[in-house]
Amino acid sequence: TQLLEQSPQFLSIQEGENLTVYCNSSSVFSSLQWYRQEPGEGPVLLVTVVTGGEVKKLKRLTFQFGDARKDSSLHITAAQPGDTGLYLCALGRDDKIIFGKGTRLHILP
Amino acid sequence: DVKVTQSSRYLVKRTGEKVFLECVQDMDHENMFWYRQDPGLGLRLIYFSYDVKMKEKGDIPEGYSVSREKKERFSLILESASTNQTSMYLCASSLIAYGYTFGSGTRLTVV
Repeated sequence: TQLLEQSPQFLSIQEGENLTVYCNSSSVFSSLQWYRQEPGEGPVLLVTVVTGGEVKKLKRLTFQFGDARKDSSLHITAAQPGDTGLYLCALGRDDKIIFGKGTRLHILP
Repeated sequence: DVKVTQSSRYLVKRTGEKVFLECVQDMDHENMFWYRQDPGLGLRLIYFSYDVKMKEKGDIPEGYSVSREKKERFSLILESASTNQTSMYLCASSLIAYGYTFGSGTRLTVV
């Protein structure tokens, strides 16, 4: 059983549309990070959330951490082709980070 | 900004060769990690280190070893490369488990 589930696995939408991707765990965790990875590159940290109910914004990206600290969502407003990439969520546990398999997002111009 | 530098972007090695993947970070981070990333399997932790000379096995250590002689450098060693070790290898560093800085990755092909 996978510790961290991300959905959807793949998402292809038109430029200008809004979208939400999800990250769910069966366990409570101390922190959660979101990363974006472009083809041929390493993941880049977008945000870290540590408090249940926390909401963080990064330009057109809104990250929400569930009240029970078992889930998170990433909402993108007015998606642009530059948002294309693999979005990974990761949870902190015992000084290590466990990654989900990611949502591969493709924004069509 | 923290920089994590992996010595090679692309490598092609023969089966049975000993392979060294080097990783250097420039921000005095205690923690360093090696992952491999494969389609459909995500990132899997191979080895990690919280201090010089210290190493811990991750989820898939078989066929690999590591070396951390200096704080800034963490090397991954494939003792005898096999075709199933063809993968993207990613090194990361962090101060605490609140976010990693990754290198650009090494795409290794074993033929």
